[in-house]
Amino acid sequence: EPEVTQTPSHQVTQMGQEVILRCVPISNHLYFYWYRQILGQKVEFLVSFYNNEISEKSEIFDDQFSVERPDGSNFTLKIRSTKLEDSAMYFCATTFNLAGSTDTQYFGPGTRLTVL
Amino acid sequence: AQKVTQAQTEISVVEKEDVTLDCVYETRDTTYYLFWYKQPPSGELVFLIRRNSFDEQNEISGRYSWNFQKSTSSFNFTITASQVVDSAVYFCALSEAGRAAGNKLTFGGGTRVLVKP
Repeated sequence: EPEVTQTPSHQVTQMGQEVILRCVPISNHLYFYWYRQILGQKVEFLVSFYNNEISEKSEIFDDQFSVERPDGSNFTLKIRSTKLEDSAMYFCATTFNLAGSTDTQYFGPGTRLTVL
Repeated sequence: AQKVTQAQTEISVVEKEDVTLDCVYETRDTTYYLFWYKQPPSGELVFLIRRNSFDEQNEISGRYSWNFQKSTSSFNFTITASQVVDSAVYFCALSEAGRAAGNKLTFGGGTRVLVKP
């Protein structure tokens, strides 16, 4: 069964450094999402991406964050200058979503980001 | 704005007991979808079920069953004859339907289920 994959599984970085989290979506999926889960808390929506542009973003997704699909397969989340409070598990999710439908979002295994 | 409330933060049961997880949601949309995801100790999010707002039939899948009641805005989840492998955090989630911008999920706070042998 096709899966969403994410790399790395764990990233440790110093405050102020840039990090790039990578996701490989399921191949025929059209919508891509990033979510964040601070340890012990709920999963929060960050951004959705469709047709090579951001379709929706949350208040959390400020100017420090960016997303792109550089090569038609990988879907990346970049944090320009990490802060301590960016420490969290970051999940990528993808879905097919034919127009007018709401398909299930399938999640990758997550990247645990630790900012020191 | 959408909101999902899981009032139970943690439930502890002994193996073979049944456990019911409550989920109450708020939305102004007339068409929406509800989901349950399981997060085992390994951390991944595993899809369990999707239900649209027009389908109020209860669903059973093995030891899992779901009770959707639109009148009370609830979508409760029952694990029958629980097993140690059911120990996990369970999240209820809500999304709007059919938006061109995509359908973000709004999650509840999760309920941690601990099944003791």
